[in-house]
Amino acid sequence: DVKVTQSSRYLVKRTGEKVFLECVQDMDHENMFWYRQDPGLGLRLIYFSYDVKMKEKGDIPEGYSVSREKKERFSLILESASTNQTSMYLCASEVNTEAFFGQGTRLTVV
Amino acid sequence: GQQLNQSPQSMFIQEGEDVSMNCTSSSIFNTWLWYKQEPGEGPVLLIALYKAGELTSNGRLTAQFGITRKDSFLNISASIPSDVGIYFCAGQSSNTGKLIFGQGTTLQVKP
Repeated sequence: DVKVTQSSRYLVKRTGEKVFLECVQDMDHENMFWYRQDPGLGLRLIYFSYDVKMKEKGDIPEGYSVSREKKERFSLILESASTNQTSMYLCASEVNTEAFFGQGTRLTVV
Repeated sequence: GQQLNQSPQSMFIQEGEDVSMNCTSSSIFNTWLWYKQEPGEGPVLLIALYKAGELTSNGRLTAQFGITRKDSFLNISASIPSDVGIYFCAGQSSNTGKLIFGQGTTLQVKP
């Protein structure tokens, strides 16, 4: 079974903090994604990566950056957290157009 | 950007009832996927569809890839309380190759 693991289930951070969300997959997939999920808006793509050290902006990249130093690990970075970044963050890895998700990180910025 | 319109937004049904939800788009998709997300968890893939007209079942779930390649539906027969969750459709755009997600259908089942 594909396993995608996100480092935290719940996080509470203060406005202005730098926040790291980590994601690791164990299936050697090349494609990895970060989404945020908000009620009524579905899943919105923040950033994605098709290879190590490669990154592409998704639909809502503002306020975020990513890092992919190793194939299995894709990190999402909030350079200076703001309250409007309070959300559920989902990491996914993909093969043959099928995406496999982590359990999600619910981030609250206060 | 491209969008998927998923409906209904929410459903509250009695145990044993059948459920139907669908997704439509103005664009053509190569692949349609259906996911279920339980509270506090990430979405889990239920059914994947790869060909126009394809009809696939997974237990009490049945999904179809529309002939026009612009829509898909998911049916759940004889619903049970553990069917509760948010169901998402996703389509792979023929233009960009990216997966695009619908807004989700929240299903609640009354025992």
